[in-house]
Parts: sequence; C-alpha cells; structure tokens
Amino acid sequence: EPEVTQTPSHQVTQMGQEVILRCVPISNHLYFYWYRQILGQKVEFLVSFYNNEISEKSEIFDDQFSVERPDGSNFTLKIRSTKLEDSAMYFCASRRPGDEQYFGPGTRLTVT
Amino acid sequence: DAKTTQPTSMDCAEGRAANLPCNHSTISGNEYVYWYRQIHSQGPQYIIHGLKNNETNEMASLIITEDRKSSTLILPHATLRDTAVYYCIVRSQAAGNKLTFGGGTRVLVKP
Repeated sequence: EPEVTQTPSHQVTQMGQEVILRCVPISNHLYFYWYRQILGQKVEFLVSFYNNEISEKSEIFDDQFSVERPDGSNFTLKIRSTKLEDSAMYFCASRRPGDEQYFGPGTRLTVT
Repeated sequence: DAKTTQPTSMDCAEGRAANLPCNHSTISGNEYVYWYRQIHSQGPQYIIHGLKNNETNEMASLIITEDRKSSTLILPHATLRDTAVYYCIVRSQAAGNKLTFGGGTRVLVKP
C-alpha cells in the first residue's frame, strides 16, 4: 500500500539556522499539506498546496515558512531562521480529489 | 468548521467494543463527520467518515444521530494496538480543506 514518506525522521538544528523538511506524497495525489504538533499539544494545520500554489495557510505559517514542490515528487517545508518554539513534530499529508488525507510518519524537529 | 466535544479519556477492555462519543451540535448541512486516530506520536490515521447515514468499514462503524448533533465511533473488538488518541472532526468537503484537530479522546485498551 502506498505511503507518504518523510525525511529526516529527526532533525536537530541550532536557533537561527535554516531547515528543510522533505516529504514524498503518494504518487497520484494532488493536494498536499503540512501540519505540526508541539509536544503535548494539538495537531495544527500549517498550509495546504494545490496546483503549485498555496491554497490556504494558517497564522502560524508566517514569512519564515515556505513550501515548494521542486520536482513533481517531493514536497518540502522550509523554515528560514528557526526559533526554539519551532521545535515540534511536522507531518506531511496528501490526498486525491474526493479522498481522505493520508499522513506521513512525521519529522521531529529540535531547535537548540 | 463546526466545533466538536469529546471526552478527554476512556478505558476499554481488550476484545470488547469501544464506543467513542462526539458532540457536534452546531454541524451544518454540508458538513461531514470524520474520525482520525493518532497512535503515540505517529501521523494521524484516517478511520471513517459520514454525512448522515451510518457507515461501516474494516476498521470501525460510525453511528450518526438523526439530528446529526452527535455521533459514536465503534471499534467492535478493541485490541491493544487500538490504544491511541481518537479525533472527531467536522468539516465540509470543499477542495483543499484543512483538518482542524481538537484534543481528542485518549483511549487506553487494557488486557
């Protein structure tokens, strides 16, 4: 069964550094999402992406965040200058039209 | 999206049915009820969804009241691997629509 994959599983970075989190959505899916979950808190929506553009974003998704689908298979989330409060699990999800969202296993980001 | 209310936690005996309630009294006519679960810190996993009819799949059954103001997710024979946080989410099926997660119900299946 096809799955959403994410790399790396754990990323440690220093405050102020740029990070890129990578996702490979399921191959025939057209809608892509990023969510995050700070330890012990709710899963929060960050951004949705369709047809090579952002379709919706939350207040969390400020100018420090960007998304890209560079090559037709990967879907990336970039954080330009990480802060301590960016430490969280980041989940990628994808779906086909009319279908449900399938989530990846997540990347644990630790900002020190 | 309509707000949902779920109990914070519940225990269930292995092999027994687990009945997870959800209140969504402000649901509107075009909004569906979705259930997802999150096992430990893994990515959320889709379980089932419905509009007004009861639904069943290989994982669970979804019972929606006639007025659609509440629903119950039923895990017919809970196993230890069903221990997870279960989220009831109400949303429309608009293209690209996000999922808004609440606190969910933490279900502990005990041997």
